[in-house]
Order: sequence, then structure tokens, then C-alpha cells
Amino acid sequence: QQQVKQSPQSLIVQKGGISIINCAYENTAFDYFPWYQQFPGKGPALLIAIRPDVSEKKEGRFTISFNKSAKQFSLHIMDSQPGDSATYFCAASRSNDYKLSFGAGTTVTVRA
Amino acid sequence: DTEVTQTPKHLVMGMTNKKSLKCEQHMGHRAMYWYKQKAKKPPELMFVYSYEKLSINESVPSRFSPECPNSSLLNLHLHALQPEDSALYLCASSQGVAIETQYFGPGTRLLVL
Repeated sequence: QQQVKQSPQSLIVQKGGISIINCAYENTAFDYFPWYQQFPGKGPALLIAIRPDVSEKKEGRFTISFNKSAKQFSLHIMDSQPGDSATYFCAASRSNDYKLSFGAGTTVTVRA
Repeated sequence: DTEVTQTPKHLVMGMTNKKSLKCEQHMGHRAMYWYKQKAKKPPELMFVYSYEKLSINESVPSRFSPECPNSSLLNLHLHALQPEDSALYLCASSQGVAIETQYFGPGTRLLVL
């Protein structure tokens, strides 16, 4: 049972464009939502994370938007660069819980 | 410094071999994890160590045997693996099991022949 659903599976964007990845969850007990970026042959690296008490969080060109009522959150990559080409995983967890529930992943390709 | 290191980077082994994967962190984290990741899939949790004690085993076959010699080191001993065990094995750590931010190592790419 997949607790976090992620879409799209892949996307292609032109350099300078906006990449948008969406995630939805069912478990209302989730209260921590990180995004990981993974390059081929490397481990996932924490990109940005948000908690439900905040509707938006921005770090550089990366922004998380969070909609608690809809149980959805999304990652926006502004001014996408070829170096952003990677697989992005959303995830969710509960406080005091070890387990990260990952989305299926989105492969982003940024064309120069 | 948020670095988790793993050795070796690549490993090829036969089904009758015994090998070990190593993971190290010097961030003072008290929780360490082993994950398995297949191509184009998210990481799957295998084991969780909290304060050097195994706290979670996600029904992993006994041919995988974890070990935590001290708070900075985590090993994964491999024996009699199957070809379907070929994957990227990731180590991660966090300040505590209840602290959500997990930092991943680069992984060991394992190929079982």
C-alpha cells in the first residue's frame, strides 16, 4: 500500500523553465514532508522539507507548497538548470516514527 | 558536516560468497539505517539501529545480517545472496529515531552473479 502518491513519473523541461512535481498522502498523522534529490549512482540528498503548519517554504530556486486540507504538497523548481536533472522523491513521516514513506519518484530532465 | 560514507562503492559477488558492506558517520547521530534501492524505485527500509541496538527489522531475509559495532559504524554482512538481491544498498543516519531528517550515504552498488 503506497502511502504517498507522486506524479508525474517523469518530466522534461527546457532550461529556465519551471518543473512541478506533485505528491498526495492519505495518513493525516503525517507531519513532516521532505524532498530528496538523487543523481544516478548516488544516494538521495535532502533538498528541502516542510511541516503542515507552513503553507510554503522556499530555498533558493526550490519551493515546497503544502495544502493540508487537500493532503497534497508539491515541489516547484524555478529557472530549471541542466544540473537539476535528477530523480526527485517526496516523502512523509510522523513525529516519533522512524519510517519515511517515499513517493515513487519523478525523473526530471532539463534540456539546455 | 552531514556526511555518511560507505565502502565499497561497488561489489560483485557470487551466490556462495560472504561479503560485508560498511557505513560510517561522525555526526553524533544515534540512529542508523540500511535501505535497499532497486533501479528507478524509492529506497526500501531494511533495518534500523537506535543507540547501537537493532530496533527494526523489516522482515529482511536472514542472508542479510546487520551489525553496529559502535555509534559511528554500521555493517551489513551478506551471505548466500540471490541475483535478485542486486541493488544499491544505502546507509542513512539521523540524530535519533524520532528525528525525521535522515542523511544518506552514496551507497554500495551490489551485483550478485
